Amino acid sequence: AQKVTQAQTEISVVEKEDVTLDCVYETRDTTYYLFWYKQPPSGELVFLIRRNSFDEQNEISGRYSWNFQKSTSSFNFTITASQVVDSAVYFCALSEEGGGADGLTFGKGTHLIIQP
Amino acid sequence: NAGVTQTPKFRILKIGQSMTLQCTQDMNHNYMYWYRQDPGMGLKLIYYSVGAGITDKGEVPNGYNVSRSTTEDFPLRLELAAPSQTSVYFCASSWKGYEQYFGPGTRLTVT
Repeated sequence: AQKVTQAQTEISVVEKEDVTLDCVYETRDTTYYLFWYKQPPSGELVFLIRRNSFDEQNEISGRYSWNFQKSTSSFNFTITASQVVDSAVYFCALSEEGGGADGLTFGKGTHLIIQP
Repeated sequence: NAGVTQTPKFRILKIGQSMTLQCTQDMNHNYMYWYRQDPGMGLKLIYYSVGAGITDKGEVPNGYNVSRSTTEDFPLRLELAAPSQTSVYFCASSWKGYEQYFGPGTRLTVT
């Protein structure tokens, strides 16, 4: 069975610090997809990134970067120079089939608090 | 383009009552999903549909029913509401199972 573990329940940093959110996954499939979603205090879920298991290149989007390592089954998310607007709950998710056709398996989320 | 819309935003039910949570998407996505989110937990899949007329159970389907008569709509039915169904419910849709786009959620309390 597939599983996603986000061991960090809550992280608090001061604005402008860099912060890394950890995600470890378990799956028996060789083809799978990994996702990160952001849930700000307003409650909606915002898609951030999708990565398939055959693409281990790291990705950078502005202050956000993602490090995918199959050898350690990890898909970590780093925010550089954090800002108060980054405060949210961040979810890592996994899909084994069709990129999500049968739904996503979510981790429990990491609550990120950015203090001014 | 409204994306995924859900109604109502909030609802309080008494134990044993029934209700339908509505979900509509205007992106012509073939795949739709219902999740529930309990406090401090991630989302858990209740039901999903890969197209009109096709539905399947997710991880936590007990106490719920769904139907998919059109591409746009995917209502979730709660029969005989129980306190354990107090949660935030999210509907989502995707194109061919890729990234899912979520509605704003329905906060349900059963007392």
